[in-house]
Order: sequence, then structure tokens, then C-alpha cells
Amino acid sequence: DADVTQTPRNRITKTGKRIMLECSQTKGHDRMYWYRQDPGLGLRLIYYSFDVKDINKGEISDGYSVSRQAQAKFSLSLESAIPNQTALYFCATSGMGVETQYFGPGTRLLVL
Amino acid sequence: GQQVMQIPQYQHVQEGEDFTTYCNSSTTLSNIQWYKQRPGGHPVFLIQLVKSGEVKKQKRLTFQFGEAKKNSSLHITATQTTDVGTYFCAGPGSNDYKLSFGAGTTVTVRA
Repeated sequence: DADVTQTPRNRITKTGKRIMLECSQTKGHDRMYWYRQDPGLGLRLIYYSFDVKDINKGEISDGYSVSRQAQAKFSLSLESAIPNQTALYFCATSGMGVETQYFGPGTRLLVL
Repeated sequence: GQQVMQIPQYQHVQEGEDFTTYCNSSTTLSNIQWYKQRPGGHPVFLIQLVKSGEVKKQKRLTFQFGEAKKNSSLHITATQTTDVGTYFCAGPGSNDYKLSFGAGTTVTVRA
């Protein structure tokens, strides 16, 4: 949805570099998520945040960190990128309760 | 932890044929959601099922939630090239509201 934007859309980096992926939303949702997609593995949750002061680890948080700068912004950082972090990364948002998640267009990351 | 499994992983379908993809959870779900991701795109919400045994239809797509609320299915009738993509099911955890996604069924269509 255009209401959820991600930057950059594509990124090539080298092993050991620190990079940040950014997500912004205009849906007014409190809940934001970062997922990683690899072929055959579906969507795996990296981190999630239910409000500005809330940060939670997902199933694959090692090597990643996040920052919730505002209700509308949720950033994902790779502290020291490694090749097996090459993947498609999605940000998503949702309202209160178990509701529909709205995904951003994704960031395709290649770590050399 | 909760696991959501989908079969098959790949579905190659002749245009005009029907097929079904299945989703199974290791735990009882309060609801199940289905998403579709077109090639090169992002997941987009299709539908949510809440009640035991619930059946919902969207044109040629029929979604069903099992009686025990641990499984679900998506049946597509008269497959078209517009059905190409990956279909994910997802269910919430028992202690919070985050979703666990299945690995998806990737559908290709032979014209």
C-alpha cells in the first residue's frame, strides 16, 4: 500500500558495513513490524513494536536492531552486514488487536 | 512455539483447472488470515476467517476455516493467469497479536 513506504527499495552493501532500512506509514497504526523473506521460508518476523515505547524481538532478531522514532517511523539496522542477510525485507503495520497487516513495497538487500 | 505449515509449496496449474492449497497450525487459532503476493510485489491481505467451519468466497476463491480452528484451505476455481503469485496463510499467537506466516504456496499457471 502507498500508505506504507520503505527506503531504500534496493541496496547493495559489503560485509561488515552498517546499514539502515527505513519505514514510514500514514495509516495512523500503532503496531509496526519488520519481516525478512527468503525463498521457501515465507515471512519471518525480525522485530515488532506495538507503540512508540515498545520494542520486541521476533524469531530471527540476531544481527539486527530497530528504532521506533515516532508512531509513523520504524527503522531496521544491520550492525555489521553479512552475506546471509541478503534477502527481501518488508515493513508492515496493523491497528489494535489481531487485524490485517499492511505491507510496504519491500527493500531488496544484497550483501557482498 | 506456534508453527503454521502450508502445502504444497509449489502448485503448477493448467489455466482453467481448479486447485486447493492447505494451511495447518500446531495450535488452535482465534482467526486465520490469507495474503497474496504477486511476483515482484508485497503481500496483500485477502481475507480473515474467525468462526469454526466458516466459509467465505471471493469470486473464484473459496476460503474455509476448519471445525477445530487449526487448519484452513484456499480453493481456486477455473484458474486464470491473474491468480499467479504466492499465497500465505497467517495466524496469531496465543499470547499476543503478532502473526505467524506459513511458507506460502507459489502458484504458476500454464496457458
